[in-house]
Amino acid sequence: AQSVSQHNHHVILSEAASLELGCNYSYGGTVNLFWYVQYPGQHLQLLLKYFSGDPLVKGIKGFEAEFIKSKFSFNLRKPSVQWSDTAEYFCAVNPRQPGTYKYIFGTGTRLKVLA
Amino acid sequence: GAVVSQHPSWVICKSGTSVKIECRSLDFQATTMFWYRQFPKQSLMLMATSNEGSKATYEQGVEKDKFLINHASLTLSTLTVTSAHPEDSSFYICSASTLPGLAGGSSYNEQFFGPGTRLTVL
Repeated sequence: AQSVSQHNHHVILSEAASLELGCNYSYGGTVNLFWYVQYPGQHLQLLLKYFSGDPLVKGIKGFEAEFIKSKFSFNLRKPSVQWSDTAEYFCAVNPRQPGTYKYIFGTGTRLKVLA
Repeated sequence: GAVVSQHPSWVICKSGTSVKIECRSLDFQATTMFWYRQFPKQSLMLMATSNEGSKATYEQGVEKDKFLINHASLTLSTLTVTSAHPEDSSFYICSASTLPGLAGGSSYNEQFFGPGTRLTVL
């Protein structure tokens, strides 16, 4: 079965520290890849997405992600986190299968940034 | 563009009653809509996929008689939680997608998410 793994369930960082959140998926075909952020009490917001082309994708708020096809990974990075980045982060994968638009979400990573 | 709204944003109801949640695509035609539920501190779990004008496809373990989905137009889908019980309390999120190339849509399979509806069943 197709699945998405986010290995870090809880991450605590100090402000200005660098961030990398892992995301791995199990699907051998072509995929679309997404990272979403959910701030406390708020709805999902799209951080960045990858459909094709340059595997290094830049998103909003200084986030970027790199698609490494050989590793089935799409890790999220930010060089210097801020207190306001405290939120839950979800990786999502859309296997490009004809007739389906399903997203498979990872279990999420809860990030806490200490001021 | 590609805005999805949900109504209501939160609802409290008594056990045994039915609750209807609306999901609307405001500026594009949503050929496909998805319903998710999110329990506290957990990820989004897909409940069902609905295509305009046809029956919804439910994920394994989701009771189709309890969670009625209607997608009667290209801009509106509804989820009705019938005979709600406290264990149905959750955050329900819809998303909408359109065929690549249609006005307002993405070139690829992209879902646009609504803000969610928090259901509390007493």
